Amino acid sequence: AQRVTQPEKLLSVFKGAPVELKCNYSYSGSPELFWYVQYSRQRLQLLLRHISRESIKGFTADLNKGETSFHLKKPFAQEEDSAMYYCALHGSSNTGKLIFGQGTTLQVKP
Amino acid sequence: ETGVTQSPTHLIKTRGQQVTLRCSSQSGHNTVSWYQQALGQGPQFIFQYYREEENGRGNFPPRFSGLQFPNYSSELNVNALELDDSALYLCAATLGGGSRSEQFFGPGTRLTVL
Repeated sequence: AQRVTQPEKLLSVFKGAPVELKCNYSYSGSPELFWYVQYSRQRLQLLLRHISRESIKGFTADLNKGETSFHLKKPFAQEEDSAMYYCALHGSSNTGKLIFGQGTTLQVKP
Repeated sequence: ETGVTQSPTHLIKTRGQQVTLRCSSQSGHNTVSWYQQALGQGPQFIFQYYREEENGRGNFPPRFSGLQFPNYSSELNVNALELDDSALYLCAATLGGGSRSEQFFGPGTRLTVL
């Protein structure tokens, strides 16, 4: 079964501290993984995708097929990073179906 | 801005009624997907339309149906509303027909079923 698990509902850190938002997936083929972010009173938007292998707003995520994980990391959290983060998986079907995790609220305290 | 709009913003219906939610995107967005997001959950895929044909469906009953129009607008229809249908409904548009292209989300319609 295709599934995305984000074990933490809430992650609270102080400004300047490192951040790691966990994401584990279940998929037998070659998945494509994404991180979506929703800032307060804004719509859901793409943060990054694993195939791009780029850093967006200081965030990076590495796909670990052995551990079936795609954790989101940032070395120094900023207050403006406070938001809801969703990990999502796209399977190999010919549709754009995204499977989302339950989301993690990141709270960065001053 | 992504150019994806949804209407209405909020809607209250009673059990058993029917509802139509609308989504509008910009030229070139040939693919539209609809998601249901219950409170405290991630979005769940309902279905996708590409060039006005359904192109994939999630685990939702037939009373959830949709339409896509040539002007890049789309509708989600839900018949015989149930209390559990209360949720935020999101549409997402994709440029072109590539199944792995970035999906641009609308702001959502909050549906409450009483």
